[in-house]
Amino acid sequence: GAVVSQHPSWVICKSGTSVKIECRSLDFQATTMFWYRQFPKQSLMLMATSNEGSKATYEQGVEKDKFLINHASLTLSTLTVTSAHPEDSSFYICSASRVSSYNSPLHFGNGTRLTVT
Amino acid sequence: GQQLNQSPQSMFIQEGEDVSMNCTSSSIFNTWLWYKQDPGEGPVLLIALYKAGELTSNGRLTAQFGITRKDSFLNISASIPSDVGIYFCAGPNTGNQFYFGTGTSLTVIP
Repeated sequence: GAVVSQHPSWVICKSGTSVKIECRSLDFQATTMFWYRQFPKQSLMLMATSNEGSKATYEQGVEKDKFLINHASLTLSTLTVTSAHPEDSSFYICSASRVSSYNSPLHFGNGTRLTVT
Repeated sequence: GQQLNQSPQSMFIQEGEDVSMNCTSSSIFNTWLWYKQDPGEGPVLLIALYKAGELTSNGRLTAQFGITRKDSFLNISASIPSDVGIYFCAGPNTGNQFYFGTGTSLTVIP
């Protein structure tokens, strides 16, 4: 069964508003979660690494003030897209490893389809 | 991030045929993962490889960790319609951040 849950599965918002996406590890604790973005017909691009109890680390080119990440507990990370614009419309997917060891495979949520009008 | 190139980019095959795809990296990996993604969903882990030369099977799927540690292969035998989807390879950097390949789109014609 699913080990990572993401909510909402889809959201439509107006330009200029903010949207929060939640990612939960269901039956394990995740000190680290990862946020990916996927545009149509493209691969998954790593946006940021969410670290419980400390600041997220962002990939080059990803604006940390626009994509706010909060990893407040060992089972929850949130991604807030602030002042969303149509170009932010994408498929956002979070992931986590069941085991906190190097090279442990990632398990993914079912993604959030964001459409900004 | 890392550059992971997959080939072929897309495949159209008849049901029952075998499928082979590969993934190459510009740098050495200690782990290779293979995922399948259905439309509108997150990727699902198929196979994980941890050692150069390793050959691992999961049902009709077989994946190999290349000896050079810069490539990996995924084979699907006797394809069926539900094999349709996009297949991604992924490998980690030293910080355990996984980067994904460009993907291979598979279409199975009944």
